[in-house]
Amino acid sequence: NAGVTQTPKFQVLKTGQSMTLQCAQDMNHNSMYWYRQDPGMGLRLIYYSASEGTTDKGEVPNGYNVSRLNKREFSLRLESAAPSQTSVYFCASSGGQVFDRGNTIYFGEGSWLTVV
Amino acid sequence: QQPVQSPQAVILREGEDAVINCSSSKALYSVHWYRQKHGEAPVFLMILLKGGEQKGHEKISASFNEKKQQSSLYLTASQLSYSGTYFCGTESNAGGTSYGKLTFGQGTILTVHP
Repeated sequence: NAGVTQTPKFQVLKTGQSMTLQCAQDMNHNSMYWYRQDPGMGLRLIYYSASEGTTDKGEVPNGYNVSRLNKREFSLRLESAAPSQTSVYFCASSGGQVFDRGNTIYFGEGSWLTVV
Repeated sequence: QQPVQSPQAVILREGEDAVINCSSSKALYSVHWYRQKHGEAPVFLMILLKGGEQKGHEKISASFNEKKQQSSLYLTASQLSYSGTYFCGTESNAGGTSYGKLTFGQGTILTVHP
């Protein structure tokens, strides 16, 4: 019953370093998402993938890239980390066909990233 | 555009009731409600769909006024375990598909005291 698993849980980076956040889901979901959460801002969508092989920008994509490696895995890469990217990152997934609405979204446990 | 939640914070004693509101400027297909404890992931509570269908939690109820693009979450006879931050996530009713993308409100902090 793993659900959505993301790694690492905690990471400290220096400005300009790169890193990849990994995410995998075992619920056979089509759609996967990356959100960031900052104090008082709620959750904001960075990128999403409606199905294997497709990705698209969300509300705050600048400074990030993503890869939908297969149906299970969706990674988020910071090419050159900046202090403004200090945040908590959540991976999520939802089921149903690509064009379904109203599906429950399940979140991973979060990755705390600090850029110094 | 981000939906607006009110109030921003609520303090209750066990057994009291609370209502959290979520208002959007866009036409909505669905409203999703989540609760998040400090340092944890958001946990699904309920979905309200256009047309009146609801799916979700046994002890929490909610309403969705499609015409006003508003939803309210009703927490009755609150328990200590209800403490946390509540988020509404809205799914657009715009043409095509939303691919399940949600736009979240800024959150309402609920604190329940003994």
